[in-house]
Amino acid sequence: DAGVIQSPRHEVTEMGQEVTLRCKPISGHDYLFWYRQTMMRGLELLIYFNNNVPIDDSGMPEDRFSAKMPNASFSTLKIQPSEPRDSAVYFCASSLRGSGGYTFGSGTRLTVV
Amino acid sequence: GENVEQHPSTLSVQEGDSAVIKCTYSDSASNYFPWYKQELGKGPQLIIDIRSNVGEKKDQRIAVTLNKTAKHFSLHITETQPEDSAVYFCAASTNAGKSTFGDGTTLTVKP
Repeated sequence: DAGVIQSPRHEVTEMGQEVTLRCKPISGHDYLFWYRQTMMRGLELLIYFNNNVPIDDSGMPEDRFSAKMPNASFSTLKIQPSEPRDSAVYFCASSLRGSGGYTFGSGTRLTVV
Repeated sequence: GENVEQHPSTLSVQEGDSAVIKCTYSDSASNYFPWYKQELGKGPQLIIDIRSNVGEKKDQRIAVTLNKTAKHFSLHITETQPEDSAVYFCAASTNAGKSTFGDGTTLTVKP
């Protein structure tokens, strides 16, 4: 199994631009999580899905952030418009039945200049 | 909601010594407690976990203990090696699906 696959690994964009992060979870996993990691705030849960349905998006910072999971093998996190304070490492993770451990992707390092 | 506190935030030990990281949780409904290791430039990786019906679990040099009454759990690493240097996260989870993470412990093992 290739694990959780995230793309791109690195993204540098200008303030105001749209950014789309992508994630392919492990086949068969029914939960998918998006996290943001910064030195100041640690690991923050942004949103999670169960069977492709968003369950809790209370961690999404503001309306500039949106996430979709059109099918069991793909999810996107979009930031529009991006701001410098969005700079962070964004992780996608998946799990089976939600009560087991997570498998994290390698993350996307986003820099907004 | 669940609140997980993790201590210490940084830990430095000499190679061969033991390292202990402690976490407390607030939600008595939490029943699954995983530990993750994050190396530089990588995502957190699950290294060991324990469920609420077990008090202790061991895997080679790593062990985890759980005290449900006191709502705390700990990670023990024996005979530490330089490759154990990383950030370690504890987490607590219920059957609701999501885990709440601690703030992490940066472990440095000095050769």
